Amino acid sequence: KQEVTQIPAALSVPEGENLVLNCSFTDSAIYNLQWFRQDPGKGLTSLLLIQSSQREQTSGRLNASLDKSSGRSTLYIAASQPGDSATYLCAVKPGGFKTIFGAGTRLFVKA
Amino acid sequence: DADVTQTPRNRITKTGKRIMLECSQTKGHDRMYWYRQDPGLGLRLIYYSFDVKDINKGEISDGYSVSRQAQAKFSLSLESAIPNQTALYFCATSAGTSGGEVNEQFFGPGTRLTVL
Repeated sequence: KQEVTQIPAALSVPEGENLVLNCSFTDSAIYNLQWFRQDPGKGLTSLLLIQSSQREQTSGRLNASLDKSSGRSTLYIAASQPGDSATYLCAVKPGGFKTIFGAGTRLFVKA
Repeated sequence: DADVTQTPRNRITKTGKRIMLECSQTKGHDRMYWYRQDPGLGLRLIYYSFDVKDINKGEISDGYSVSRQAQAKFSLSLESAIPNQTALYFCATSAGTSGGEVNEQFFGPGTRLTVL
């Protein structure tokens, strides 16, 4: 059974710091991995989608990597800003049509 | 305007009441999903639909039912609400692919449901 774990559950950093959020999954047989941002009252926003054949994806200050063999993905946020404060969710798609979500990392960037 | 909308955004109800949560999308996607989110847990799939005539149970469908009224509309019903159905509910959509893979999902803003 595929399980997705995100560590840490919460993180507080000063503005301007570079940071890494971690996601691990137990079964390396995945089609893709997606990172989301969740803001209170605004649902989930897709940040990056990495297909199984890819090693990383970049969007602005965000870079996500995928290492299927080790069952790990990282989301790197450069030069963090208070507006980056949110909960970040990792989700993997194993075989079939399901998507398995981690519980998220709650990020707080202090001004 | 948002591509995926949910109504209501907040709802408080009593045990035993019937509740319907509605989802509409303007993305033109065939696939729609209902998830629930509980504190400290990841989102869990309740039901999904790949087109108007195709509805499937997810991992936690007990106590829920759905209706796909049109390509753009997917409703979730709680026939007799109970307190452990208190959660944040999300609707999502995705485009279909020829390989049947689920690609990028787009989420609505969520409905916060409280069952007393």
